[in-house]
Amino acid sequence: GAVVSQHPSWVICKSGTSVKIECRSLDFQATTMFWYRQFPKQSLMLMATSNEGSKATYEQGVEKDKFLINHASLTLSTLTVTSAHPEDSSFYICSAPTSGRGRLGGYTFGSGTRLTVV
Amino acid sequence: AQKITQTQPGMFVQEKEAVTLDCTYDTSDQSYGLFWYKQPSSGEMIFLIYQGSYDEQNATEGRYSLNFQKARKSANLVISASQLGDSAMYFCAIYNTGNQFYFGTGTSLTVIP
Repeated sequence: GAVVSQHPSWVICKSGTSVKIECRSLDFQATTMFWYRQFPKQSLMLMATSNEGSKATYEQGVEKDKFLINHASLTLSTLTVTSAHPEDSSFYICSAPTSGRGRLGGYTFGSGTRLTVV
Repeated sequence: AQKITQTQPGMFVQEKEAVTLDCTYDTSDQSYGLFWYKQPSSGEMIFLIYQGSYDEQNATEGRYSLNFQKARKSANLVISASQLGDSAMYFCAIYNTGNQFYFGTGTSLTVIP
């Protein structure tokens, strides 16, 4: 079945540095990738939607300059957390629409990235 | 705007018993899809079951079934014969033709041996 490979699984970085998270679609082309953030014991909150070859669409309240999203190819979308601060520590997860699970399609999730900023 | 409500922050069920996790939604769209995902402590999101808004029959996938009541905008997940491995967070989600996907706040299920 369709797989979205997300790396790294976990990362610890110093405050002020940038961290890049990659999501690759294996065996299928992901023209769209959704990026979510999840704080402990909370739900997944949609941050942005990336579309191959065009600018990402950010949800209200999400800083575009802080969370840079690039979707340069049909199999790769990246999220870069720039100048990370401790409050950016969270679980980040991507998902891509895939076919075969329903009339409106299904979604395949990456395995998530646990970011800790110290 | 879409809204998903899961009113049960935590649920307990005895092993081998059935359990129902509640989900209500609010949407003005005519065409939409409803999903249930399981998230174990590892964090991965595991797809469980899907129900389309025009599907007349309730969806079933093995031990999972979805009690879809469209008029009440309700899409409850029923897990039969609970197993210890079912202990996890469960999220209800809605997808619409606007290509938007929103999750509820989740229900933590604990299966008791």
